[in-house]
Amino acid sequence: TQLLEQSPQFLSIQEGENLTVYCNSSSVFSSLQWYRQEPGEGPVLLVTVVTGGEVKKLKRLTFQFGDARKDSSLHITAAQPGDTGLYLCAGHPLGGGADGLTFGKGTHLIIQP
Amino acid sequence: ETGVTQSPTHLIKTRGQQVTLRCSSQSGHNTVSWYQQALGQGPQFIFQYYREEENGRGNFPPRFSGLQFPNYSSELNVNALELDDSALYLCASSGRVRDSPLHFGNGTRLTVT
Repeated sequence: TQLLEQSPQFLSIQEGENLTVYCNSSSVFSSLQWYRQEPGEGPVLLVTVVTGGEVKKLKRLTFQFGDARKDSSLHITAAQPGDTGLYLCAGHPLGGGADGLTFGKGTHLIIQP
Repeated sequence: ETGVTQSPTHLIKTRGQQVTLRCSSQSGHNTVSWYQQALGQGPQFIFQYYREEENGRGNFPPRFSGLQFPNYSSELNVNALELDDSALYLCASSGRVRDSPLHFGNGTRLTVT
């Protein structure tokens, strides 16, 4: 059973379109982090959301943490080819034992010119 | 600021052999963690080291072991390699606080034949 479910698994859209990807769980998380990973590279942190209901903006990217801290979304406005990559959400579930981050399987995003 | 570096970048081993992967952490970071990323999946937590001691472990068998050195660099050792061990192995350094963001290296791609 995957603790963090990401959807969609794959998304291919045209440059200039808007999109939203989701990260859902039945568990409560102390915070959630979003990473982007490009082929041949390690994941790079985009943002950390900590407070339920929090919204953070990073240029054309908007991140939201659910009120109950069980889910998060990433919205991209006017997508560009440079946004192409694997988007991963990750966090520590409350009461979780190990110190490592739990990752979702990711959303593979392709922005076509 | 020096980032996280991993070596080697690629490695091919035969089933039953042993492998050692190396990681130099980002300057100022005293915690190192290792993740396994199978093709098409999100990273899975293997273990974490702080002050040369393992202080968190994911669901991996004892044949996965590690070391952290006084300069905070680290090694991941895998004994008795199995075909399913083929994956990208990622090292990440961070501060000590639980929700500190991870700074990943570009990984070592291990292929077991």
